Amino acid sequence: EAQVTQNPRYLITVTGKKLTVTCSQNMNHEYMSWYRQDPGLGLRQIYYSMNVEVTDKGDVPEGYKVSRKEKRNFPLILESPSPNQTSLYFCASSRDRFLVALHFGNGTRLTVT
Amino acid sequence: DQQVKQNSPSLSVQEGRISILNCDYTNSMFDYFLWYKKYPAEGPTFLISISSIKDKNEDGRFTVFLNKSAKHLSLHIVPSQPGDSAVYFCAASEREGETSGSRLTFGEGTQLTVNP
Repeated sequence: EAQVTQNPRYLITVTGKKLTVTCSQNMNHEYMSWYRQDPGLGLRQIYYSMNVEVTDKGDVPEGYKVSRKEKRNFPLILESPSPNQTSLYFCASSRDRFLVALHFGNGTRLTVT
Repeated sequence: DQQVKQNSPSLSVQEGRISILNCDYTNSMFDYFLWYKKYPAEGPTFLISISSIKDKNEDGRFTVFLNKSAKHLSLHIVPSQPGDSAVYFCAASEREGETSGSRLTFGEGTQLTVNP
């Protein structure tokens, strides 16, 4: 089954404790991206990657890092999480950069206390 | 600066009637528009899209209309079904230009409730 898999689904952590949210897709997609969803703000793009070793900032990249060492994986790293990063996070992938249709994971609910 | 806006946070309709969800955008460089549907505890799923060279695209019960001069698009669902109850996100992309795709700007979302 074609899918984007994120782990964990739920995460509660404390301020400053480094964490990684993993994302993997099995569709051989070139393009991958991370979004956060907040009430009243919709989905905002954090980072995206057009291919292996190619990443770029989205609209809200501050406080986040990503890497794309393999085509299928695109982890999101919070080096020093803060409470304003409490959000619902989605990873997505697409066949190409023209984003005809993004495939989304089921989300990771992160709470930073 | 919200470049894609969905001004109605919620919409309630009766089963069998038409649902109309609206979306406005400010960036005149956007040339590709999409609608996504999201159920609770799931990621958004692609519903329908339209290129700026068209003013209408239809897929079964779903039709998207684009009015470029007004920078407005709408999603029509006819007839509405209880299973359509979800959050609907409008999104826009600039497929020609410096970033050539790669970035999708979403609206805030509209919660549609279809009552039996």
